[in-house]
Amino acid sequence: SQKIEQNSEALNIQEGKTATLTCNYTNYSPAYLQWYRQDPGRGPVFLLLIRENEKEKRKERLKVTFDTTLKQSLFHITASQPADSATYLCAPLSSGGYNKLIFGAGTRLAVHP
Amino acid sequence: DAGVTQSPTHLIKTRGQQVTLRCSPKSGHDTVSWYQQALGQGPQFIFQYYEEEERQRGNFPDRFSGHQFPNYSSELNVNALLLGDSALYLCASSLRVGGSTDTQYFGPGTRLTVL
Repeated sequence: SQKIEQNSEALNIQEGKTATLTCNYTNYSPAYLQWYRQDPGRGPVFLLLIRENEKEKRKERLKVTFDTTLKQSLFHITASQPADSATYLCAPLSSGGYNKLIFGAGTRLAVHP
Repeated sequence: DAGVTQSPTHLIKTRGQQVTLRCSPKSGHDTVSWYQQALGQGPQFIFQYYEEEERQRGNFPDRFSGHQFPNYSSELNVNALLLGDSALYLCASSLRVGGSTDTQYFGPGTRLTVL
């Protein structure tokens, strides 16, 4: 069955450093991969989408990579700020099955001043 | 422009009861998806509605059913509640013509507690 793994441990980093979050998937060949941010008690908020033919995607301080050979996506936040503290979810998406998102469990990021 | 809204915010029920959760999609959106998120887990896809029909379904029992109305709003019904149904229920809306990559907008969720 399809399996998505994200760092189960919380990631604690110092303000100004780069946070790197990992998303690995198995039994899956997604055409796209989305990253979401979720704050406690709130719904997820879409951040970035990367296609299988894109190696890297950037948006302001965010960068996502997508390696279909390793079956892995990396999500980077540069110059991190305490306001970046949240849970980050990855969701690989097949080309069929319109917007039926399968989420990983998420990684909780804590950025300390 | 209102985003996705859900009601109620919180709900407490007892085992065996039935519950109905409601969702209004973002203005202009025609597709509604429902997710269940247990504590410490990612959201799990329940089902999706478009043109008032269930189009896709996740691995959830028939106790979970839904409906979409002509104005695109949607309801999620859960019968014979179990303790394990306690979770945050999320509604997400999108515009189908946007295709598989169209952004989904999530509501704030309904926190259901089953005692």
